[in-house]
Amino acid sequence: QSALTQPPSASGSPGQSVTISCTGTSSDVGGYNYVSWYQQYPGKAPKLMIFEVSKRPSGVPDRFSASKSGNTASLTVSGLQAEDEADYYCSSYTGSNRLVFGGGTRLTVL
Amino acid sequence: EMQLVESGGGLVQPGGSLRLSCGASGFTFSNYWMYWVRQAPGKGLVWVSRMSTDGTITSYADSVKGRFTISRDNTKNTLYLQMNSLRVEDTAVYYCAREMGAATPGYWGQGTLVTVSS
Repeated sequence: QSALTQPPSASGSPGQSVTISCTGTSSDVGGYNYVSWYQQYPGKAPKLMIFEVSKRPSGVPDRFSASKSGNTASLTVSGLQAEDEADYYCSSYTGSNRLVFGGGTRLTVL
Repeated sequence: EMQLVESGGGLVQPGGSLRLSCGASGFTFSNYWMYWVRQAPGKGLVWVSRMSTDGTITSYADSVKGRFTISRDNTKNTLYLQMNSLRVEDTAVYYCAREMGAATPGYWGQGTLVTVSS
């Protein structure tokens, strides 16, 4: 199972919006509405930000939103803040009780 | 408060074995599917294994299939990962996670480092 494709880096200025893409295939992202997004700070465990394509867990700011179109999922961070600078990973269910993660995107707040 | 605490990591030689444990508290462990996910130093997240609530359904990444075994003891609120025939490329921080929603590792432990080196 190949990793989902994410851009290695993304950036934006405070207050701006930035979108990170996550491209898979019809066997993963395109085939199931089970795409998740994680935020990870250096040396820390990942934190779930979005699940089931666009749902936010309790406590996640509504500045974080996500969607899916075909084989590509997207995470949008609006009103960028310094604290949003982190690594972001997508994941998708691939059938047969298996999952796959994306390679990760480092978000820099300029 | 929900908590997952991994243990059992350490330094092991190639070809060796190690068993990781993940102790759960603050929730009804037996009600949730559980995961192992790893992250090599400076690299991205990689799904390793997943287990159903009662342990009857398991799945593995191709890279560990036949070498790693996931298991759980719902009476002890503990998830395990038995790792055999370890390779240098298995070096990583190993995280256990509880499912949240469908097919989603939602709550994560702090991780335990496994280093495979001679």
